[in-house]
Amino acid sequence: DGGITQSPKYLFRKEGQNVTLSCEQNLNHDAMYWYRQDPGQGLRLIYYSQIVNDFQKGDIAEGYSVSREKKESFPLTVTSAQKNPTAFYLCASTGTENTEAFFGQGTRLTVV
Amino acid sequence: GQSLEQPSEVTAVEGAIVQINCTYQTSGFYGLSWYQQHDGGAPTFLSYNALDGLEETGRFSSFLSRSDSYGYLLLQELQMKDSASYFCAVRDDGGSYIPTFGRGTSLIVHP
Repeated sequence: DGGITQSPKYLFRKEGQNVTLSCEQNLNHDAMYWYRQDPGQGLRLIYYSQIVNDFQKGDIAEGYSVSREKKESFPLTVTSAQKNPTAFYLCASTGTENTEAFFGQGTRLTVV
Repeated sequence: GQSLEQPSEVTAVEGAIVQINCTYQTSGFYGLSWYQQHDGGAPTFLSYNALDGLEETGRFSSFLSRSDSYGYLLLQELQMKDSASYFCAVRDDGGSYIPTFGRGTSLIVHP
């Protein structure tokens, strides 16, 4: 079955550490996105990539970094510069029709 | 840029009909989508409206009025499993689909 896989499901980070969240899709989609979800704030766009080797900052990119070396993969690194990283992180992709976004199951990151 | 407004919470009883409204402001508009998200889960796509009118998919319908920058999601014959958050989303006005989401409406269905 085609879909988006995020790992890990739960992640704990110590203060000052960088952590990388994985996102892999086998839908052959060109565009991929990372969102952050906090209670009561909906989904906020962190980064997006519309094609391999290219990506753009979203609304809340500070403290995050991404890469897009392969079409299937769009990992997100939460750096120590992100002051409040505890949140639910969602990866998504869209195909050529661009009318429907497909989401992974999310990674819940907690700073300990 | 874009902004979307939707109520934060709606409550209803099983078997009832509920409408979740969404108003949007965009510099260019290509369509309005709706997503459902259960607690701790991933958002799942429900519907997409590019043109004015009502789209029906089983118990769920979605309506769009482009002239009013307004849409709604209508849920009929409510079931307990419909308790979830519902998000409206618009396409980015830059011509590519960068989904921008509202803050979501928490629907609570009571027995």
